[in-house]
Amino acid sequence: GESVGLHLPTLSVQEGDNSIINCAYSNSASDYFIWYKQESGKGPQFIIDIRSNMDKRQGQRVTVLLNKTVKHLSLQIAATQPGDSAVYFCAEPLGGGATNKLIFGTGTLLAVQP
Amino acid sequence: KAGVTQTPRYLIKTRGQQVTLSCSPISGHRSVSWYQQTPGQGLQFLFEYFSETQRNKGNFPGRFSGRQFSNSRSEMNVSTLELGDSALYLCASSLGSEAGQNEQFFGPGTRLTVL
Repeated sequence: GESVGLHLPTLSVQEGDNSIINCAYSNSASDYFIWYKQESGKGPQFIIDIRSNMDKRQGQRVTVLLNKTVKHLSLQIAATQPGDSAVYFCAEPLGGGATNKLIFGTGTLLAVQP
Repeated sequence: KAGVTQTPRYLIKTRGQQVTLSCSPISGHRSVSWYQQTPGQGLQFLFEYFSETQRNKGNFPGRFSGRQFSNSRSEMNVSTLELGDSALYLCASSLGSEAGQNEQFFGPGTRLTVL
């Protein structure tokens, strides 16, 4: 079928503010989620992951929240810096288990204003 | 430890030609996955190779193929190129163990332009 250009949602924040990037998923059986960061000209870079037996996981300046009731996860970045400017993707392995077949969301462009 | 490397970084081809892209995974990684990234379709899984065998496959036509060598290096080939094949092709490697998920490390990609 005819493809339509994806319109990347954009989140614009001031340096030092907190950022929240959201992602919805459809499969209630999904049990593992990953957040990736992709800077211009580079491949996606792993940020943090979370399994479905957890509601929250924290890393360095990042926190992922998982709400299985509404099938929603979010990535929170504390004290956002210019170096955080990138496209952020949520991803999940299709079919769970040991598969490396990742299904990516459409992505969110984070623009940090100095 | 060296990261995932992909060659070439940029490539220009014309319709009807074929192309081969190469990926060298991180040392010790046995799984290599390929993804296509376009503005229209986003990031889409092509296939995964583990120990020289295709373990997973995405929904791409047979013009897209791949292989993996005994040293875990992988190549993907696209035959009879179409304009719509213009994309960033990303390779990702992981340990590939059977026991649960493994972090995938992406290379910088090969930017393919089909004229």
